[in-house]
Amino acid sequence: KNQVEQSPQSLIILEGKNCTLQCNYTVSPFSNLRWYKQDTGRGPVSLTIMTFSENTKSNGRYTATLDADTKQSSLHITASQLSDSASYICVVSARYSGGSYIPTFGRGTSLIVHP
Amino acid sequence: EAGVTQFPSHSVIEKGQTVTLRCDPISGHDNLYWYRRVMGKEIKFLLHFVKESKQDESGMPNNRFLAERTGGTYSTLKVQPAELEDSGVYFCASSQGSSTGANVLTFGAGSRLTVL
Repeated sequence: KNQVEQSPQSLIILEGKNCTLQCNYTVSPFSNLRWYKQDTGRGPVSLTIMTFSENTKSNGRYTATLDADTKQSSLHITASQLSDSASYICVVSARYSGGSYIPTFGRGTSLIVHP
Repeated sequence: EAGVTQFPSHSVIEKGQTVTLRCDPISGHDNLYWYRRVMGKEIKFLLHFVKESKQDESGMPNNRFLAERTGGTYSTLKVQPAELEDSGVYFCASSQGSSTGANVLTFGAGSRLTVL
């Protein structure tokens, strides 16, 4: 069964500090891994997309890593800001014959940044 | 550029009634997806349109759910008759071009459905 596990479930940090969110998956056959940020009451917004051959990708203060061998990914947030408070969702897609890509979503990590 | 818009933002109906959710994707986006998040659980894939055709509907829970995308523009998701377990937030997302699986998806804000 395809699964995506995220940790921690929730995290509280002080403004300006760094943090790292984890994502472990058992999705197969692997196609790509995405990190999304979801603000309360809004839809998820894409932060990064990584395919099998990519092991790191940055988007401003967000840096995602991927280890396809251990099936782990992390999202590192540098110099956190109050606006980083949101839910961060890891999504791993499997590619099936016929060309369909089925995503499996993690439950997300709820990040709160305090001033 | 207008984003993905969904309507209504919140709908409250009684068990057994019918509800139709609408999604307007970004203009020119061939790929349109429906997802659902039930309270306390992760977001789950429902189905994927490429233009007006259903590419994959393996995530649709049962035949009480009907999705359409006539003309390849906006899409509707009808739930008839609604059951209590259908309550949740229904997200729509779209992406342009042929799906390579790594397309950037733009999500709507979601339609919250509450079935009493």
